[in-house]
Amino acid sequence: DAGITQSPRYKITETGRQVTLMCHQTWSHSYMFWYRQDLGHGLRLIYYSAAADITDKGEVPDGYVVSRSKTENFPLTLESATRSQTSVYFCASSDPGLRGTDTQYFGPGTRLTVL
Amino acid sequence: DAKTTQPPSMDCAEGRAANLPCNHSTISGNEYVYWYRQIHSQGPQYIIHGLKNNETNEMASLIITEDRKSSTLILPHATLRDTAVYYCIVRQEYGNKLVFGAGTILRVKS
Repeated sequence: DAGITQSPRYKITETGRQVTLMCHQTWSHSYMFWYRQDLGHGLRLIYYSAAADITDKGEVPDGYVVSRSKTENFPLTLESATRSQTSVYFCASSDPGLRGTDTQYFGPGTRLTVL
Repeated sequence: DAKTTQPPSMDCAEGRAANLPCNHSTISGNEYVYWYRQIHSQGPQYIIHGLKNNETNEMASLIITEDRKSSTLILPHATLRDTAVYYCIVRQEYGNKLVFGAGTILRVKS
C-alpha cells in the first residue's frame, strides 16, 4: 500500500537550473495538488489538477510548470530555479466522492534548497 | 471560503483531553469544517470533518455549535505523539482547494 510518494525527498540545486519534483499516487485519485510551505506563510497552493490533461493555477503558480499525462503522476517543474523557491513542497491527492467527503491525502514532502 | 480563527498555541497534559477551538463566524450553509494536523516535518494529515452534526472517528471528535459559527476538535486522551500544528479549514461542499491558515500549535506535555 504505497499511497502517495514524492521524489526526491531532498534536493539542492543552483539558481537558474531546471528541477522536477515527482509525485506518484496509487489510489487512482482524480485530483492532485502541489503546495509549498514556507516559514511565516503556511501551506500555499501552487497548481492542481482535476484529471489527466487538466491543470489549473493555485495561489502562487509563477515560476512553476505542471503536467498530468497519467492519472497517477503529477510532476512539478521549476524551469529556472530561484532562491525564493527554496521551500518544502507537498503533493496531495483526493477523490471527490460523497458530498463533502473530499479528503486530501498528502505526501511526505520534498525539501528543496536553491543556492 | 470562510475565514477561520484559531489560537496560535495551546498546551495539554498527556492523557488529558485536548480541546482545540475554531471560530468561523462567516461560514455559509454549504461549507464544511475540516481539521488537519501536521506533525513536524511531515505532510498534513486529515483528522475529521463535519457539516452541522457532531462527528466522531477513531482519532477525534468534532463539535460544531448549533449556529455553526464555531467548532471544537477534541482529542480525548492526548499523547506526546499528538504534538502538532492543527488546522481548522472551512471549505465549500464541492470545492477542492484547501486554504491553510496558521493553525494552532498543540504541545502535549508529560
